[in-house]
Amino acid sequence: DAGITQSPRHKVTETGTPVTLRCHQTENHRYMYWYRQDPGHGLRLIHYSYGVKDTDKGEVSDGYSVSRSKTEDFLLTLESATSSQTSVYFCASRTSGSANTGELFFGEGSRLTVL
Amino acid sequence: GESVGLHLPTLSVQEGDNSIINCAYSNSASDYFIWYKQESGKGPQFIIDIRSNMDKRQGQRVTVLLNKTVKHLSLQIAATQPGDSAVYFCAEIPGGGGNKLTFGTGTQLKVEL
Repeated sequence: DAGITQSPRHKVTETGTPVTLRCHQTENHRYMYWYRQDPGHGLRLIHYSYGVKDTDKGEVSDGYSVSRSKTEDFLLTLESATSSQTSVYFCASRTSGSANTGELFFGEGSRLTVL
Repeated sequence: GESVGLHLPTLSVQEGDNSIINCAYSNSASDYFIWYKQESGKGPQFIIDIRSNMDKRQGQRVTVLLNKTVKHLSLQIAATQPGDSAVYFCAEIPGGGGNKLTFGTGTQLKVEL
């Protein structure tokens, strides 16, 4: 398994507070992703990165920002958390490898509760 | 809009039987599809993929079938085992490549002993 870890694994916070989730991978993968998972919606892409300091928005990016200053780290920030951002967040990475490979390696998830 | 969806939210099968999980897609330009398995409390795990120039691909105990005419793909699991109990997602990459996978909502597979 690819070495991809997320922290924290669980967090409870209050509305309006900032939150940062960290994703760390040891595989030197070029691409990294942040997804959220909610009942009835499956996995939805928030932001992704295709290299250091290169990021782009996904389908549900409002209220989220990301940063990637090093290959191994991809940070997801909620500047001012809202209850609608209560979710399980998954980080994933993949190698550049052959074109269009869909094999993402996922972390174990971070469960965020916004009260 | 474009979407990737699964027909049934829950599928129950007896241990030893074959399982078939279905997925429909609406983007006719999609040319690459992937199946993921997610066990409770864990992140999704890649199972198998298929490109649009293929109709069938086999792995270990799993087979993916792609019908481009009706925009449908299925995952078949042979001799289903208790360890196969999980949520299964299909995902697509739109035609022309790109870095974004679009996931369906998932099917919960329950294996009854």
